[in-house]
Amino acid sequence: ETGVTQTPRHLVMGMTNKKSLKCEQHLGHNAMYWYKQSAKKPLELMFVYSLEERVENNSVPSRFSPECPNSSHLFLHLHTLQPEDSALYLCASSQTPGLAGEFTDTQYFGPGTRLTVL
Amino acid sequence: AQSVAQPEDQVNVAEGNPLTVKCTYSVSGNPYLFWYVQYPNRGLQFLLKYITGDNLVKGSYGFEAEFNKSQTSFHLKKPSALVSDSAMYFCAVRESSGGSYIPTFGRGTSLIVHP
Repeated sequence: ETGVTQTPRHLVMGMTNKKSLKCEQHLGHNAMYWYKQSAKKPLELMFVYSLEERVENNSVPSRFSPECPNSSHLFLHLHTLQPEDSALYLCASSQTPGLAGEFTDTQYFGPGTRLTVL
Repeated sequence: AQSVAQPEDQVNVAEGNPLTVKCTYSVSGNPYLFWYVQYPNRGLQFLLKYITGDNLVKGSYGFEAEFNKSQTSFHLKKPSALVSDSAMYFCAVRESSGGSYIPTFGRGTSLIVHP
């Protein structure tokens, strides 16, 4: 299997549920990202991990909790979500060539998880 | 701060005609510029990028883009559109050095190619 994979592809959950999204990259990259894509809105960067350390967090609500156990895997743990959290959640990876905080260019995206919060 | 604008929410073109999807950007220094395409229910796919060198960049599926520093633009073009080109197109920019190294994406442009 190549590229960036995400599971599940579709998820429906209630506001009191706890679930997790999984992302795996098979490209040997050392940086991974979570994005939220909502209709009619720009792509929102949620979390970035470079060399397994969180580098940037754009003030995402605490009901979203990321985990990056190694450079190939990224999780997004979800709890007590709101209906407005319904969106397509995209994972991406890229290769950082040098110092922490210095990212290279092309990002490779997974197919996304379509999340619906009832 | 870096930003990118895609002024058109939707572009309509007939199959076989040339297409242009517009993108303008703002960065403090020199830009790295990218185009991605997203088909329905899929993630974003990399099309092409400008890092340095020739202002005309060729990418996947016959697409190309021209970097214009004076107009701060990076418009995506294709000489002859296909129905299968119908998708969302996203422009992205990041600083080549200094500032934020995380790319900023535009809102996207829906390209519809009519048979």
